[in-house]
Amino acid sequence: EADIYQTPRYLVIGTGKKITLECSQTMGHDKMYWYQQDPGMELHLIHYSYGVNSTEKGDLSSESTVSRIRTEHFPLTLESARPSHTSQYLCASSELGRLNEKLFFGSGTQLSVL
Amino acid sequence: GQQVMQIPQYQHVQEGEDFTTYCNSSTTLSNIQWYKQRPGGHPVFLIQLVKSGEVKKQKRLTFQFGEAKKNSSLHITATQTTDVGTYFCAGPRSGGSNYKLTFGKGTLLTVNP
Repeated sequence: EADIYQTPRYLVIGTGKKITLECSQTMGHDKMYWYQQDPGMELHLIHYSYGVNSTEKGDLSSESTVSRIRTEHFPLTLESARPSHTSQYLCASSELGRLNEKLFFGSGTQLSVL
Repeated sequence: GQQVMQIPQYQHVQEGEDFTTYCNSSTTLSNIQWYKQRPGGHPVFLIQLVKSGEVKKQKRLTFQFGEAKKNSSLHITATQTTDVGTYFCAGPRSGGSNYKLTFGKGTLLTVNP
C-alpha cells in the first residue's frame, strides 16, 4: 500500500488568501509530482521534482510554487488564491531510475476558493 | 507535442456486459500504464505494458499493447458494480531520461446493477 499523504483533504478559503497544500511520502521516492484535476477531467501535470532542491514546472501553467527541501516533503503554495484555482490537487511519487516506474497518488486536496 | 487519446469518454453498461476502452498515442511509447480512479478517489496503478504486442490479464481485466506500441486497450469481461470508475491510460514523454507521464482524458465507466 502506498504511503503518500496529503493534507488537508478539503479546503475552502476566500480570495486573496495564501495557502499551502502539504504532501509527504514515506517510501523514500526521489520523484514527486503535483497534478491538477477538475471533476471528471484529465490530470494535468503542474509541477515535478527529481530530488532535493530540484523543481520544474509541468505542462499546465500554474501560479502555484513548490519546494523540495527534504526528500519526503513536497508542499505546494498559492500566494494569493483566486476562484480560478478551485480544483482537486493530487500529489504523486515514484522511484527514480527504475524501468517499471509507477505513480503512487495521495488522496488529493479538494480546494474551493470563494 | 505528444498526445494520448482515449475513447470512449463515457460508457454505461448493464452488470455482466463487457467493456472496452481504447488508448492511442501520437508517438511510439516505450511503455504504457493504466490507472483506475474510483468516484471521489485518487488514481491507482493497475498495470504497465512494455513489449510490443504484449497481453496481460488480471482476473476479468485484459490489457493489450499494440504491435506498433502506439495504442493499447483495456477490456473488462462481465462487468461488476465494483468496476465503476474512470480508467486512464498514460504514456511517458518521448526522449530523455526524465520520466513524465502524459495521461489520456480517461473513460468513465458506469455499471447498472
